[in-house]
Amino acid sequence: GQSLEQPSEVTAVEGAIVQINCTYQTSGFYGLSWYQQHDGGAPTFLSYNALDGLEETGRFSSFLSRSDSYGYLLLQELQMKDSASYFCAVQDDKIIFGKGTRLHILP
Amino acid sequence: EPEVTQTPSHQVTQMGQEVILRCVPISNHLYFYWYRQILGQKVEFLVSFYNNEISEKSEIFDDQFSVERPDGSNFTLKIRSTKLEDSAMYFCASSDLAGGRLGELFFGEGSRLTVL
Repeated sequence: GQSLEQPSEVTAVEGAIVQINCTYQTSGFYGLSWYQQHDGGAPTFLSYNALDGLEETGRFSSFLSRSDSYGYLLLQELQMKDSASYFCAVQDDKIIFGKGTRLHILP
Repeated sequence: EPEVTQTPSHQVTQMGQEVILRCVPISNHLYFYWYRQILGQKVEFLVSFYNNEISEKSEIFDDQFSVERPDGSNFTLKIRSTKLEDSAMYFCASSDLAGGRLGELFFGEGSRLTVL
C-alpha cells in the first residue's frame, strides 16, 4: 500500500520561511510532487523531485531524500497569498496525494 | 494558456440517480485522471486513463463508476446510482508525460456533486 504523512497545519509569519515535511511509504516510487490548493480552487503544481536534492523555483524549493523516504517544501519570503493547503504527492503507477497541510500566515 | 475544463461546475442530484461529469483535457495530453475531494479532506485518486483504457483505479472506483472518452476531446466520469457519500468535488486532470515533467498534473476547476 501507500501512505504519506504531512502535518495537518502550520502557522508562520508574513516574510518568514516555513518548511512543510512529508514522509512516504510506497511500493514503487518515481518521484515526489508538491501542489498548492486555495480554498475552493483546484490543486496547482508547484514542484517535482525525482532525484535526491533540492529543486528551487523562485520563492519555493523542494527537497527529496529517497533513502529516507522524506521530502519537504520550503517557502521563503512568505506572503499572505501563500495561505493555502499544500499537498505532497508520490508517483508510482499513479499519483497519490497526502492529506494536505494547511498553512496559516499571520501578518 | 491551455487548460482543463469541466462541466458542470455544480450538480445536485437525488440518491440513486445517474450522473455524468464531463471534462475536456488539454489537447495534446495523453493521460487523463479523475480525483475526488470530500470537503476539507485530501484529494483522492479514482482512476487514470491512457490509450483508451483504464490504466489504474483505486478501491473507491467500484462498479458504480465508469469512464469514457467518447470522442477526441471529452473525458467523462459516470456514476450509475449515486449515494450520499458520493457528494464531493470531482477533479479531472491531464498530463503529458512524454513532454512534461513527471508528476505534473493539470487540474480542472472541479465539478461539485451534491447528492440529496
